[in-house]
Order: sequence, then structure tokens, then C-alpha cells
Amino acid sequence: DVKVTQSSRYLVKRTGEKVFLECVQDMDHENMFWYRQDPGLGLRLIYFSYDVKMKEKGDIPEGYSVSREKKERFSLILESASTNQTSMYLCASSLARAGNTGELFFGEGSRLTVL
Amino acid sequence: DAKTTQPPSMDCAEGRAANLPCNHSTISGNEYVYWYRQIHSQGPQYIIHGLKNNETNEMASLIITEDRKSSTLILPHATLRDTAVYYCIAWYSSNTGKLIFGQGTTLQVKP
Repeated sequence: DVKVTQSSRYLVKRTGEKVFLECVQDMDHENMFWYRQDPGLGLRLIYFSYDVKMKEKGDIPEGYSVSREKKERFSLILESASTNQTSMYLCASSLARAGNTGELFFGEGSRLTVL
Repeated sequence: DAKTTQPPSMDCAEGRAANLPCNHSTISGNEYVYWYRQIHSQGPQYIIHGLKNNETNEMASLIITEDRKSSTLILPHATLRDTAVYYCIAWYSSNTGKLIFGQGTTLQVKP
């Protein structure tokens, strides 16, 4: 089974702190994604990456950055956390450009609270 | 990407078939219909997808109308564990997995 592992299920941080959310997948997938999920707004794409050191902005990249130094790992960085970044963060991965590239495998999510 | 419309909620009796509808009247010829579900406090899980033909796998069946303007996800024998939010997504293969999730349908399976 494909496994997408997010480093923390629950985090509590203070305003202004730098926050790292880590995601690792074990199926050699090329594509990796970070979404956030908020009540009433559904899932919104923050950033995605289709290769090592490559990244593309999603729909809501402001206040976030990402890093993909290795194929299996995709990190989401909040440079200076703010209360409006309190959310559920979901990482996903998929194969690239062959057959079922719309089939995303999601991690269990990281619930971040910024105080 | 075509927009999809789903009812906000549905109930189903345990053991009965759950039929979840989705309208995608603006879908283009090269957009697939994907279904995901999200059980409470977990990440979304892929269920099934199709382009024109009906599809079936171990989890569900997908029926797409001939004009492709709507589809139905069928869970043949719903269990309590199928209680979840179900998302219908129209997706174009060049989007590299940039799925746009709407509000979905909350399915409540009742004993």
C-alpha cells in the first residue's frame, strides 16, 4: 500500500513562529501536494511539486513556502505563523502523467493551531 | 475545470445501495470524473474514476450518463463505515493532479 506520512497529527504554535510540516511518501511518486482544509471552504491547494527542487504555486500560496530536496519528501514552511493559518493541512502524492495521475494518495493530515 | 454540483447530504440504510449523484453539465470531452471520500479526521481517499464508460472496482461502481453531464457513484451494500463526505471532481489530465474539491455530499449510513 502507498503510504503518505505526515510528521505531526497535531501542532500548537505561537504567532510569529516558524513552522515546518513534513511529508514523506514511500511509492516513488513524482508529484506531491500540500492542501489546507477549512470548514465551508473545502480543500484548497497551497503548493505542488512535480519533481525534486521543482515547485508550483497553487491557489493560496501566500504566507507559505515549500521545499523538495528529495523525491520522497515535501515540506511546507510557514515563515511566520499567523492565526489565520490555523487549519488542517493535508499532504498528497501521485504518479506523474501516466494513466491515473488524478489518483492522489493523502496523508492523515496535520491539524495546526496558531495562538 | 468543470464545476460539479452535489447534494449537501444524504441518508442510506445499512445494507442498502447508496446512490450518490453528481451534476457536471459543463464537463469537456477530455475531463475525467473522479470520486473521493473523506472519513472524519482522515485524509481523502480515492474511490474510482471514469471518462465515458461505466466503471466498477472493489469499492464502488460509477455510472456516467451518455451525454456525460451527470454521474452516479454506487456503493452496493453500504455499511456504517461508509459514512463520510463524498467528493465528485471533474479533472483534466494536463492539470498534473491539481484536483479542485467542492463541498461534497455527506453520506450518513444508518443502522
